Amino acid sequence: DAEITQSPRHKITETGRQVTLACHQTWNHNNMFWYRQDLGHGLRLIHYSYGVQDTNKGEVSDGYSVSRSNTEDLPLTLESAASSQTSVYFCASTGEGDNEQFFGPGTRLTVL
Amino acid sequence: GESVGLHLPTLSVQEGDNSIINCAYSNSASDYFIWYKQESGKGPQFIIDIRSNMDKRQGQRVTVLLNKTVKHLSLQIAATQPGDSAVYFCAEKLGTSYGKLTFGQGTILTVHP
Repeated sequence: DAEITQSPRHKITETGRQVTLACHQTWNHNNMFWYRQDLGHGLRLIHYSYGVQDTNKGEVSDGYSVSRSNTEDLPLTLESAASSQTSVYFCASTGEGDNEQFFGPGTRLTVL
Repeated sequence: GESVGLHLPTLSVQEGDNSIINCAYSNSASDYFIWYKQESGKGPQFIIDIRSNMDKRQGQRVTVLLNKTVKHLSLQIAATQPGDSAVYFCAEKLGTSYGKLTFGQGTILTVHP
């Protein structure tokens, strides 16, 4: 069965370190998204991609970057982790014209 | 002090009751409205969507109502079950956004047996 996975599921890091969160989907979806989820803010879009070599900034993109070298993967990189980036991160994908986004299980990131 | 925004709306119901979860959306140009369910420790899961040219759509045990005049969306769950306990999010989408969604803050639904 097709799925979307994220790794690691939990990560503790220190301020200033570079961190990369992985997202892998086997739906063959062109559209992929990264969100962060914090209490009181719901899900906020960080970056998204509509296909290989395409990346776009979302509403809270500062301090984050993504790359899309193939259809299946959209890794999220925190260039220099800050305590304000402590959050739960969700990756999602969707097919063309679909309203249903398929979400991964999330990565809980703690920046000390 | 603690921000008001940290407190999600909550709804507590008894098993077997009907539940109504409300959402106010912001963009009158949105073409689709979608409801997601998020269980503890999991990613959100699609429930149902409705196009902006409709005012009602029914699924299995769920009904979504759309009132564009007041930019209001509601999700009705019939015969609520303990397994329906979760956080429910509404989301809106522009038709040209290729799947990019804007999510609301969410409502916590607790179903008591």
